[in-house]
Amino acid sequence: EAGVTQSPRYAVLQEGQAVSFWCDPISGHDTLYWYQQPRDQGPQLLVYFRDEAVIDNSQLPSDRFSAVRPKGTNSTLKIQSAKQGDTATYLCASSFVQGNTLYFGAGTRLSVL
Amino acid sequence: GDKVKQSPSALSLQEGTNSALRCNFSIAATTVQWFLQNPRGSLINLFYLVPGTKENGRLKSAFDSKESYSTLHIRDAQLEDSGTYFCAAEASGDSNYQLIWGSGTKLIIKP
Repeated sequence: EAGVTQSPRYAVLQEGQAVSFWCDPISGHDTLYWYQQPRDQGPQLLVYFRDEAVIDNSQLPSDRFSAVRPKGTNSTLKIQSAKQGDTATYLCASSFVQGNTLYFGAGTRLSVL
Repeated sequence: GDKVKQSPSALSLQEGTNSALRCNFSIAATTVQWFLQNPRGSLINLFYLVPGTKENGRLKSAFDSKESYSTLHIRDAQLEDSGTYFCAAEASGDSNYQLIWGSGTKLIIKP
């Protein structure tokens, strides 16, 4: 069984540039999560979906961040105008249903210069 | 204060020794998950617990919801056990599900 797949693995941007991260969850998992993990901190939830519906995006900086999961499978997280404070690893995770075991992808390490 | 408090924050052990990591909860936790973030940055799920105990090889974990804590025991530590261990708890009563994460225990295994 394939795990959670993320791309790209690394991204380096200048402030003000845009970037998109892509996630392919484990097949059959209805719940998908995006986390931000600053260096030397724990993961912090940005948004999560059940199928194609956003369930909680209260921690997503909505002026610059957006996330979609249009067919309830793959998902894209986009930063419109990156800031240095966005430097972090962006992790995607999925679970069979909400509340079950979380499986993480390898993450995208973002540096904003 | 921290809803999920992990201790110790860092630990250095010789290969072959045993260790115990702990999470204390100030929330009504219903389930707990333990993860290892290895030096490459990958987060690996070790255990998913309802109240009770689970064991997997050299790892054993317990979750006591009444006393509001969970433990992770590592027996005969190996070099590949190095990394940061996180616990994360699901709290009852949340209309929107969310895992509340501890700040991690950084474990270094020395040869």
